[in-house]
Amino acid sequence: NAGVTQTPKFRVLKTGQSMTLLCAQDMNHEYMYWYRQDPGMGLRLIHYSVGEGTTAKGEVPDGYNVSRLKKQNFLLGLESAAPSQTSVYFCASSSSDRPGKGNTIYFGEGSWLTVV
Amino acid sequence: AQKVTQAQTEISVVEKEDVTLDCVYETRDTTYYLFWYKQPPSGELVFLIRRNSFDEQNEISGRYSWNFQKSTSSFNFTITASQVVDSAVYFCALSEANDYKLSFGAGTTVTVRA
Repeated sequence: NAGVTQTPKFRVLKTGQSMTLLCAQDMNHEYMYWYRQDPGMGLRLIHYSVGEGTTAKGEVPDGYNVSRLKKQNFLLGLESAAPSQTSVYFCASSSSDRPGKGNTIYFGEGSWLTVV
Repeated sequence: AQKVTQAQTEISVVEKEDVTLDCVYETRDTTYYLFWYKQPPSGELVFLIRRNSFDEQNEISGRYSWNFQKSTSSFNFTITASQVVDSAVYFCALSEANDYKLSFGAGTTVTVRA
């Protein structure tokens, strides 16, 4: 079972470069999320999507853009990378309703991004 | 506003010892869900448990047990007879009924020494 797959797993960027992280899920989930994990801060929500063609801002959206052109994919873009965006990025998905209704969020394995 | 506090940053135990991880949460909602996730050294996040605010019954799953107390806004996690494979970062998380996100605590790093 693939579950939630993120690519790439590791990337080093120079300040100002752009890149896209790809998330793919094979569980036919409606909801998808991008979180970032920083030491001592747990995970914080960047953007999320409640279905194909929709996106919304989370807690820390600045500097990121997202797209959900296909139900199974959720892309996270960094237009002009900054050292403050050095982090571990997690994609996640859940089934037909929000986690507040009790649905479990399933996470990918993470993408380690370093901006120098 | 949501808030999840995991006051213990790191815990180190010897194999077979019990370890309890504290989680205290804040919410104004009466309906909410609490979660625990495990992050082993390999980095992925593994779902452990989900508990809704109306169910205060404690739960046991093998060597894992959870103690939910609304009176103290706590959802503590105990590993009994710890093993080296339990070494990981453990996150407590909260979601309110109409929210799309999980609010995570900062995590507790558990190291189990052989």
